[in-house]
Amino acid sequence: DGGITQSPKYLFRKEGQNVTLSCEQNLNHDAMYWYRQDPGQGLRLIYYSQIVNDFQKGDIAEGYSVSREKKESFPLTVTSAQKNPTAFYLCASSMTRGDEQFFGPGTRLTVL
Amino acid sequence: SQQGEEDPQALSIQEGENATMNCSYKTSINNLQWYRQNSGRGLVHLILIRSNEREKHSGRLRVTLDTSKKSSSLLITASRAADTASYFCATDEWVGNEKLTFGTGTRLTIIP
Repeated sequence: DGGITQSPKYLFRKEGQNVTLSCEQNLNHDAMYWYRQDPGQGLRLIYYSQIVNDFQKGDIAEGYSVSREKKESFPLTVTSAQKNPTAFYLCASSMTRGDEQFFGPGTRLTVL
Repeated sequence: SQQGEEDPQALSIQEGENATMNCSYKTSINNLQWYRQNSGRGLVHLILIRSNEREKHSGRLRVTLDTSKKSSSLLITASRAADTASYFCATDEWVGNEKLTFGTGTRLTIIP
């Protein structure tokens, strides 16, 4: 099956801890994205990557970090510097910029 | 920053009726896309309309684009209970941004 997967589905973090959210795609897409969604809100872009070993900050990158060592993988680390990390995190990929995006099922992060 | 703004924020209709949602944006675009999100899930791409197109159909979906008014509409005909979801527009801007910008969404409820 071709698609995009995220893990875990639910994640709980204590304050002061870093956590890493996984995102994998087997669609052979060049571009990958991380979004944050708060209750009743739209999507806000955290980071995006157009190609391996390159990524760009989105609108709300502070307190987050990413890597793109492989085409298939784009993990997101939520650091302790992110003051309000409780949210729903969505990963997406597309063939290239401006194309339709394929989304993973999301990870719901809760800070205890 | 939000480029697309959907209207209305919420819409409730009887099953079988048509549902219309609108999206306004601010800058010149390459294309505009509509996505659906069921509660707690990832987004699903519905339709993409390019800046040189005025209308596009896909099954029970009809999308229009008026670049002079910087607006788009999504019409769902003969609504079904399964259409209950949030609907988002996303714009691919002409220059500057290598990303889609999502609106805040319309929450559609179909009453059986």
